[in-house]
Amino acid sequence: QVQLVQSGSELKKPGASVKVSCKASGYRFTDNFLHWVRQAPGQGLEWMGWMNTNTGNPTYAQDFTGRFVFSLDTSVSTTYLQINNLKADDTAVYYCARAFSGSVDYWGQGTLVTVSS
Amino acid sequence: QLLVTQSPSVSASLGASVKLTCTLNAGHYSYAIAWHQQQPKKGPRFLMRINSDGSHIRGDGIPGRFSGSSSGAERYLIISGLQSEDEADYYCQSWTTGKNCVFGGGTTLTVL
Repeated sequence: QVQLVQSGSELKKPGASVKVSCKASGYRFTDNFLHWVRQAPGQGLEWMGWMNTNTGNPTYAQDFTGRFVFSLDTSVSTTYLQINNLKADDTAVYYCARAFSGSVDYWGQGTLVTVSS
Repeated sequence: QLLVTQSPSVSASLGASVKLTCTLNAGHYSYAIAWHQQQPKKGPRFLMRINSDGSHIRGDGIPGRFSGSSSGAERYLIISGLQSEDEADYYCQSWTTGKNCVFGGGTTLTVL
C-alpha cells in the first residue's frame, strides 16, 4: 500500500535551517509528483509547491520562493523540504502528499516544525 | 489565477445528510477538484476527486455515504447518514496540471 513517512518533529532557533524528509513506498516513486503543504497553528492548508520526481524539477508557490528548497533522492524514494533562515511564523505542520494527476491522493503524517528562541 | 471558495462552517444533525460546496472562480469551471477531510488533531485524508461532469473517484477505504457531484462552477461533497466522526474540517483542492495547486479555506462541519 502507498505510504508517505515523514521525519519527526523539530525545534529550531530563528535563523537556523531545517530539513524535513518524506519517504515514499508502495508505488514507483518517479511516477507521481509530490506536493508540500503547510498548516500553521489553527489555520488551513497552504500549498507550497511540488517536486517532479521524474525530472527533479521543483515548482514553488509564490509565497514560498527563496528560503524554501525541495530536493529528492530517488535511490531511497525520498523527497526533502529545507527551510533556511527560519522565522517564528514558519512554525507549522508540514505535510508531503502524493499527486495523482494533480489531485492529492495520499498524505504523509505531517512534521511539526517549531521555531522559537 | 485559479481560486476555490468554501463556506466557513456548516452544521447538520446526526443521521442527516449535508452538502458542502466548493466554488471555482471564473475561467476555471471545467476544472476537477478534490475533497480532503481533517478530523481534530489529525492529518488530512483524501476523500474523493470530482470532475466537472460530476463523476467522482473515492479514496481508498472511503465509505459510500460520501459522494460528490458538480454543477457549473460548484463542486459538492455530500455526506449521508452523518456520524459523530464526520465532525471535521473539509478542504477543497484544485490544480492546473503541471503548474500550480490551490486549497480552499476549509469548511468546519459540526454534527449536532
